[in-house]
Amino acid sequence: DSGVTQTPKHLITATGQRVTLRCSPRSGDLSVYWYQQSLDQGLQFLIQYYNGEERAKGNILERFSAQQFPDLHSELNLSSLELGDSALYFCASGDGLNTQYFGPGTRLTVL
Amino acid sequence: EDQVTQSPEALRLQEGESSSLNCSYTVSGLRGLFWYRQDPGKGPEFLFTLYSAGEEKEKERLKATLTKKESFLHITAPKPEDSATYLCAVPSGNQFYFGTGTSLTVIP
Repeated sequence: DSGVTQTPKHLITATGQRVTLRCSPRSGDLSVYWYQQSLDQGLQFLIQYYNGEERAKGNILERFSAQQFPDLHSELNLSSLELGDSALYFCASGDGLNTQYFGPGTRLTVL
Repeated sequence: EDQVTQSPEALRLQEGESSSLNCSYTVSGLRGLFWYRQDPGKGPEFLFTLYSAGEEKEKERLKATLTKKESFLHITAPKPEDSATYLCAVPSGNQFYFGTGTSLTVIP
């Protein structure tokens, strides 16, 4: 158990809908990272927050957005969902400099 | 462009048959190289961090080494429970670049 929690574990929705994925970092970690992992693809970095502020942006679509709240939990919002958005979404936390610890992931299925 | 490449893509070993996995990188100004293990449908599990050429880290049957251009994950006398995908990652700027992994299967 990495200490990072993600909810929900599974999410099934329809195209065009909007969903919110939630992540609680390990105690003491200020940084939260979001990744997407599709079938046959590696982990794709989406975005990083550090102590409530956006620090780095990767290959995140404009339909996706994230935020980190004062209690350091983070949410990833995915809107206008398409079939291709079906994937595992991972959250990781760390001190912002070194090792990232990953949560169990949310499996999103878009039908 | 920064890049992380892992080889082989897949590896099948008999139980007890030692081997090595490779991670090559072209990131300039390396600030660490990270190895993770990922089981199907699970989040990556941190294994090692290496910071400088010549450094080695060990954990049970795994040993990670680092040179200026690549890292190796040596698996000694693997067991079926070592079957997983092994990922390496390097930071560049504020991002982490992951390789696509080596899928290891250890046959009893």
